[in-house]
Parts: sequence; structure tokens; C-alpha cells
Amino acid sequence: GQNIDQPTEMTATEGAIVQINCTYQTSGFNGLFWYQQHAGEAPTFLSYNVLDGLEEKGRFSSFLSRSKGYSYLLLKELQMKDSASYLCAVRVPGANNLFFGTGTRLTVIP
Amino acid sequence: DGGITQSPKYLFRKEGQNVTLSCEQNLNHDAMYWYRQDPGQGLRLIYYSQIVNDFQKGDIAEGYSVSREKKESFPLTVTSAQKNPTAFYLCASTQWTSGFNEQFFGPGTRLTVL
Repeated sequence: GQNIDQPTEMTATEGAIVQINCTYQTSGFNGLFWYQQHAGEAPTFLSYNVLDGLEEKGRFSSFLSRSKGYSYLLLKELQMKDSASYLCAVRVPGANNLFFGTGTRLTVIP
Repeated sequence: DGGITQSPKYLFRKEGQNVTLSCEQNLNHDAMYWYRQDPGQGLRLIYYSQIVNDFQKGDIAEGYSVSREKKESFPLTVTSAQKNPTAFYLCASTQWTSGFNEQFFGPGTRLTVL
């Protein structure tokens, strides 16, 4: 089966930096996605990595190491509105479906 | 505006009844997906369809059925055979199934079986 691990919960302070880790063991790899999901709402796309390295997009960055089966999402200058769940998802070859981790619930405190 | 619509947002049904959740997209996407999300859990794939008139089972298809008669529509039926149907159901679509093509999600339907 596919295994994707993320911490369940994290807390960080407004204005700070937080790193959310994701490790995966899957039957192949065809890209890794990060989504943000506010409570009771649909997930929204944040970032995509398919090659090793860092992808930066404003306050959000995502890193991938395929050899280590590891990714992280870095959020800078945290804002209260960043309180949400962050989902890591790996695309697996074949049907190219996404397999999701359980998500990390981030709480930003003043 | 292009997007994915799911209705209703909240749905209540009695145990033993079948219920159909709607999903419509006007993004002209080929592939569509149904996920289930339980509290504290990630999204789990129920069914997916990469082309009209074709669909495949995901990881937790038992107790569910789908149809894909039109490109823009992918309804999900939760049957009485589904043992624990209360959950948040998300529909998604994407243009292609490989490369950088994010899945776009609908707003979700929260189903509660009484």
C-alpha cells in the first residue's frame, strides 16, 4: 500500500516561520502536491514538486528530496488566516491518482 | 465562472436509504474523482473516471456506485450497503492525469445518516 506521513497538529506564532514535514513510501512517484484546507471547506492547491529542490511562491515554499521520500512546506510571516489543515499528496504512476496524508492541522496564535 | 459544484452542502438521510450526491464541472476536465474525508483522516479515493462512460474503483469503493454519462457530471450514490456513510464527500476534477495538473475540488457535501 501507499504510506504518507505528516504530523497531526502544529502550533506557531503569528509572524513566525513554520515547517510542515511529509514523508512518503509509495509504489512509484510522479509528483507531490501540497493543499490547504480550512475547516469544512474544499482543499485548495498550494504547490507542486516533481524534481528535487525548493519551489518558492510568495510566503509559501515547498521542498522535495525524492531519494529520501521527503518533502516539507515552509510558511513564512505567518498570519492568523493560515490556520488550516495542510495536506500532502503523492501522485503514483499507473492511474496517476493522488494519495493523501492525514493532513497537519496548523494553529496560528497571536 | 468555471468551477465545480456539489449540492447540497448538507444532507441528512435515514439509515438504509440510498442517496445520490451531485457533482458538476464546467472546466472541460476529462478526469473526475470522488473522495471521502473523515475527521482526523486524509482524503480517501472512492471512485474515479478518466473519460466519459468509463470509471474505476478507488481504495474504498464498497457500498458506493457512480456513473459518467456526460463529461461534466459524475454523481455518486451512497447505497445502504455502505456501513458507515456519515462523512464529508469531496468531488474533484483535473484536465489530465499526469504532469503538473492540479486537482480542483468542489465545496463538498456533508452527509449525515441518522
